[in-house]
Amino acid sequence: EIVLTQSPGMVSLSPGERATLSCRASQSVSSGYLAWYQHKPGQAPRLLIYGASNRATGIPDRFSGSGSGTDFTLTIRRLEPEDFAVYYCQQFGRSPWTFGQGTKVEIK
Amino acid sequence: QVQLQESGPGLVKPSETLSLTCAVSGGSISSDDTFYWNWIRHHPVKGLEWIGNVHHIGSTSYNPSLKSRLTLSVDTSKNQFSLRLTSVTAADTAVYYCARDGGNKSGYALDIWGLGTQVTVSS
Repeated sequence: EIVLTQSPGMVSLSPGERATLSCRASQSVSSGYLAWYQHKPGQAPRLLIYGASNRATGIPDRFSGSGSGTDFTLTIRRLEPEDFAVYYCQQFGRSPWTFGQGTKVEIK
Repeated sequence: QVQLQESGPGLVKPSETLSLTCAVSGGSISSDDTFYWNWIRHHPVKGLEWIGNVHHIGSTSYNPSLKSRLTLSVDTSKNQFSLRLTSVTAADTAVYYCARDGGNKSGYALDIWGLGTQVTVSS
């Protein structure tokens, strides 16, 4: 199965700062099948990015995704208070679908 | 808008069978042939694990790590889909989520999720 490794495991940032989250795959992933999710405690996970770089419906443009092959990045341009959460990448190009272990973005 | 709600027992004894249901509201489970209906679980330490999915016509795809114990099904008359996992152990303790693969609407990513339900395996 494809293993996704996210880094860093946790990052401490202040509102207004830029967050850059990495997702590295053990095998090449078709860009069309790489997604990013945001998860807050007690809430349903929320789709942010699909197809590596396409924002899902209603997602603010401060969120952007990039990358191809084995290296993908989620960038949050200017952190808002509501952006502090855990972020997961997921590949669904090769079964079984797999997730990264998550990056926690916490308030500094 | 479409919403998903998981239901089932919060506590299951080791070696018994876990059964969960995901009710779909705000839309038909059969409304789009590109939708697949998924189960995912979140282990405290292992993180997120995709369990499998089911299409409204009944076709399924399972994670090989669970395939021997797993059955996913769909009931279009009740607008819901279900999970059945046999011979559970403490390793099956997790928060279980149902989620929709949005097909053409979301590039086949999981665009709608339930809130999740905690399942604990313990005697």
